[in-house]
Amino acid sequence: AQSVAQPEDQVNVAEGNPLTVKCTYSVSGNPYLFWYVQYPNRGLQFLLKYITGDNLVKGSYGFEAEFNKSQTSFHLKKPSALVSDSALYFCAVRDINFGNEKLTFGTGTRLTIIP
Amino acid sequence: ETGVTQTPRHLVMGMTNKKSLKCEQHLGHNAMYWYKQSAKKPLELMFVYSLEERVENNSVPSRFSPECPNSSHLFLHLHTLQPEDSALYLCASSQDLGQDNQPQHFGDGTRLSIL
Repeated sequence: AQSVAQPEDQVNVAEGNPLTVKCTYSVSGNPYLFWYVQYPNRGLQFLLKYITGDNLVKGSYGFEAEFNKSQTSFHLKKPSALVSDSALYFCAVRDINFGNEKLTFGTGTRLTIIP
Repeated sequence: ETGVTQTPRHLVMGMTNKKSLKCEQHLGHNAMYWYKQSAKKPLELMFVYSLEERVENNSVPSRFSPECPNSSHLFLHLHTLQPEDSALYLCASSQDLGQDNQPQHFGDGTRLSIL
């Protein structure tokens, strides 16, 4: 079975400060990991993914995420937050060793950037 | 613009009504998905279609009936819904089910309210 945990429902960060949105995962084999963002009244929008290779993955809008196998984590980061980054963020995982088509999502973290 | 269009954006219906949600993708993808998004819960995968064949049905009640007439269109037919079915229904597509490392592309969803 595969699962994702986003331990924080809400994260508040001052504009210009670095931000981190946490994600941990559980899979039986090796993971494919994804981050999505959802703005109000919109669907989910792909930000970045980890498949293999470098543990630090860079994505859209200046976001990056670090894959840590020993801690089974894939935290989303950005060096300097913008007010426009305020949105709902979802982490997702797929276990590549089981050939399943299912992408398992976390419950989401609402990020609010304070001007 | 994500390339996945959902209509209507909002739908209010009574418990005895019959309605349909429509999804159309302009990306040339072969796989399409229906998800249910409820507050404070992970995204729930409802149905998966690959090349117009249903490949997954996650124990969804029969009052939800999907239809995929071609690889560009996906419908969700609704009949005798319950108040707990009120949610945001998201459609997504991906290139192929076999390409596990490819992200899914989401529409903006249909906000469904059951009276």
